[in-house]
This record gives sequence, structure tokens and C-alpha cells, in this order.
Amino acid sequence: DTEVTQTPKHLVMGMTNKKSLKCEQHMGHRAMYWYKQKAKKPPELMFVYSYEKLSINESVPSRFSPECPNSSLLNLHLHALQPEDSALYLCASSQPREGNYGYTFGSGTRLTVV
Amino acid sequence: QQQVKQSPQSLIVQKGGISIINCAYENTAFDYFPWYQQFPGKGPALLIAIRPDVSEKKEGRFTISFNKSAKQFSLHIMDSQPGDSATYFCAASKQGSWGKLQFGAGTQVVVTP
Repeated sequence: DTEVTQTPKHLVMGMTNKKSLKCEQHMGHRAMYWYKQKAKKPPELMFVYSYEKLSINESVPSRFSPECPNSSLLNLHLHALQPEDSALYLCASSQPREGNYGYTFGSGTRLTVV
Repeated sequence: QQQVKQSPQSLIVQKGGISIINCAYENTAFDYFPWYQQFPGKGPALLIAIRPDVSEKKEGRFTISFNKSAKQFSLHIMDSQPGDSATYFCAASKQGSWGKLQFGAGTQVVVTP
């Protein structure tokens, strides 16, 4: 299995809703990432988990809450989002061996906040 | 502050032609330079990557050229095909950064039949 699976593929939520994005990989990768991508822009890093511990939080607003229940799963909990949070949310994984930073990205969740 | 600068923003090339995308960086601590290909509605996919101890790397029709002294690297797509039409991102990373990638702004490549 060489894939990163993200669910759902599309999500529409109101500003008062609570929802979660899910990401799963079975490649044995021990680093997992959340990126946000706006149209015609590069991905922007949000969070990095390494060995199930949060290693980087790129000053993301608290309405985004990441969770790494185990080495294969990564969640992103969403609450009280704003319309400007509408974007493609990408999960990625890699093996954090020294010198190997090759990512595998999922296909993303297209989020629309109304 | 954008740590990796990518050009051009867009590129139109005829089938069979060569597509060339350039990137420049400032941080000499970067030690890994990947290129990603992204199709609409999909996540980026790793295309090819290079380290600064190598000046060129070729995989099929895709070649990275790396100039360490100039702090520049480029992607060449030989014999471009319509299926290569996508957005291409260069990126850079360094040890001790938890694999954080600094992306270029992206280049939209259109290959005409």
C-alpha cells in the first residue's frame, strides 16, 4: 500500500458546525503532515506530527485542532470556521530518516465553508 | 518571505517540445530539492528530487539540473506530452526541519497537441 487516503473528498460546512477530516496511511511512515492549499497557490504547512507527537504548529488558529491517534491515522478537527478557510486540505506522510524527506500526499479534502 | 522563487508562472509548449522551469533559493542549509506535479483536484505527486552533491539527475523524460554556487535548480521536461499538462512546484527542505517543505509559487504548464 503506497497511498495516503483522505476522507471525505468534499465537505461543505456552516460556520457553526463541527467536522473532522481523516487521513490514513499504511506505509509505516512516522511523520504526517497537514497542508492547506488555496487555488493556484502552493501548499502551506499547518502541522507536523513525528512519531505521533506534534512537532510543528505553524501558528494555525485554534479553530483547527489536529490529532494523531496512532502511527497510521491523522485527524483534523474543525470548529467555527470562516469562509476564508475554504481550501483544499492535504495530508501527507514521510519517513523521517535523515536525508529522506520524500512526501506522499493524499488527494485532499475540498472544504467549503458557508 | 518566499524562500524558494519559481519562474515562469505559466508556460505553453508544443507537443514534443522542452519545458523548462527554474527555481532559486537563498538558504544554503537546504539539502533536498524535490519537484512535485499536481493535476487539478489531486494532491501533489513527487516527480523527481535531487541533493546538492549532484549536478544533474534524470528520470525518464524529466531532468533536474542543479547549480549549487548559483543556488538555482531547474526542471526540464523533454518531449513534452499533453498528459504533462499540470502545475509543477519546486520545493526545498533541510535537516532538522521535520521534513518541512518550502514550496515555490508553482508553474502551470500547458502542452498543446
